[in-house]
Amino acid sequence: GENVEQHPSTLSVQEGDSAVIKCTYSDSASNYFPWYKQELGKGPQLIIDIRSNVGEKKDQRIAVTLNKTAKHFSLHITETQPEDSAVYFCAASILYDMRFGAGTRLTVKP
Amino acid sequence: DVKVTQSSRYLVKRTGEKVFLECVQDMDHENMFWYRQDPGLGLRLIYFSYDVKMKEKGDIPEGYSVSREKKERFSLILESASTNQTSMYLCASSKTGGYTFGSGTRLTVV
Repeated sequence: GENVEQHPSTLSVQEGDSAVIKCTYSDSASNYFPWYKQELGKGPQLIIDIRSNVGEKKDQRIAVTLNKTAKHFSLHITETQPEDSAVYFCAASILYDMRFGAGTRLTVKP
Repeated sequence: DVKVTQSSRYLVKRTGEKVFLECVQDMDHENMFWYRQDPGLGLRLIYFSYDVKMKEKGDIPEGYSVSREKKERFSLILESASTNQTSMYLCASSKTGGYTFGSGTRLTVV
């Protein structure tokens, strides 16, 4: 089955800097790659996603890139703000089968 | 605003009790999922359902069962709660693509 690895497990940046979280997946049949943000005491919330026929997608300060050949995808957050502090999960999916990375705890220091 | 509602935020149960975790979604989604979330292990799939009265085992179904009698409701049942089932339980639903998660139920088994 699919296996998703996520790095780093913790990330601390200064406000205004960029943050990058990387994930790799094992199953080349995976075709949908969402990213979730989980704030304290809440469930994960979808923040951006990308499908396998697209290499990059951007939504304001966040962007996701996908390299199908290398089977890795990344989340980029620019101009980080304290409210970006949360746990971020990547995932890879084929139909109903979605597998999550272990999560990255991002801390943005004011 | 679309919602996935989990009936309890916090629950404390005794070892051996039968425990019911309820999840309701108002988005007319076909697919519903139960995950448990533990530090360092990310989200692990317990069971999922892609239609009423249908259920499929996930990666860690042992000690759990599910019920889906109506499209909007997906229940997770711990047949005989044990201390190693102390965890955060997350329900999610989807049509195609990304999941919508509930806020989670933090279950403690004593």
